[in-house]
Amino acid sequence: NAGVTQTPKFRVLKTGQSMTLLCAQDMNHEYMYWYRQDPGMGLRLIHYSVGEGTTAKGEVPDGYNVSRLKKQNFLLGLESAAPSQTSVYFCASSARQGEVWNTEAFFGQGTRLTVV
Amino acid sequence: AQSVTQLDSQVPVFEEAPVELRCNYSSSVSVYLFWYVQYPNQGLQLLLKYLSGSTLVKGINGFEAEFNKSQTSFHLRKPSVHISDTAEYFCAVSDQGWMAAGNKLTFGGGTRVLVKP
Repeated sequence: NAGVTQTPKFRVLKTGQSMTLLCAQDMNHEYMYWYRQDPGMGLRLIHYSVGEGTTAKGEVPDGYNVSRLKKQNFLLGLESAAPSQTSVYFCASSARQGEVWNTEAFFGQGTRLTVV
Repeated sequence: AQSVTQLDSQVPVFEEAPVELRCNYSSSVSVYLFWYVQYPNQGLQLLLKYLSGSTLVKGINGFEAEFNKSQTSFHLRKPSVHISDTAEYFCAVSDQGWMAAGNKLTFGGGTRVLVKP
């Protein structure tokens, strides 16, 4: 029972390089999210998706792009990495069940990204 | 807009002592409330949630939290902690009713709990 799986787990990038973080969930959840975690700031929402083919901006979207071509996958891209994007990135998913939400979000293990 | 404030960034506590982690929030709409725990080098795991009904909510691992609407607080408590409770704890809120917009969470800054023997 994998839940939410993120790849890679660790990555070091040079400033200006690009990369894609992959999130996969096997729970058939409608909603998926990308958060970044920085010390003392908790987690902040980067982008999210309420269904296949849809994406929307969160609190801190600048410098990131996302795509959700398949329901089970949510990709986070950094086009030109900057040191300010050094962070731990978490993907999460949650279900929508009829008129009552299943409001629990399930999180992946995180990707620790360092931009030098 | 919403915001969540966790009043203590670190809480040292001795094993078998009680602990309380404080959380206050502000929001212009009704919210759902959550506490998540993050063990070292792991993702977040839900401890408990308040959706409606009784203001005292019980969660996993002996934790409980009380919702106080007038004080806009959702403090987390455990009467007797174990070494294994050493972790970071996050309070979070999400809007009620934003079904089309997804269950987006706004987090507090986190409280590190260090349980000492």
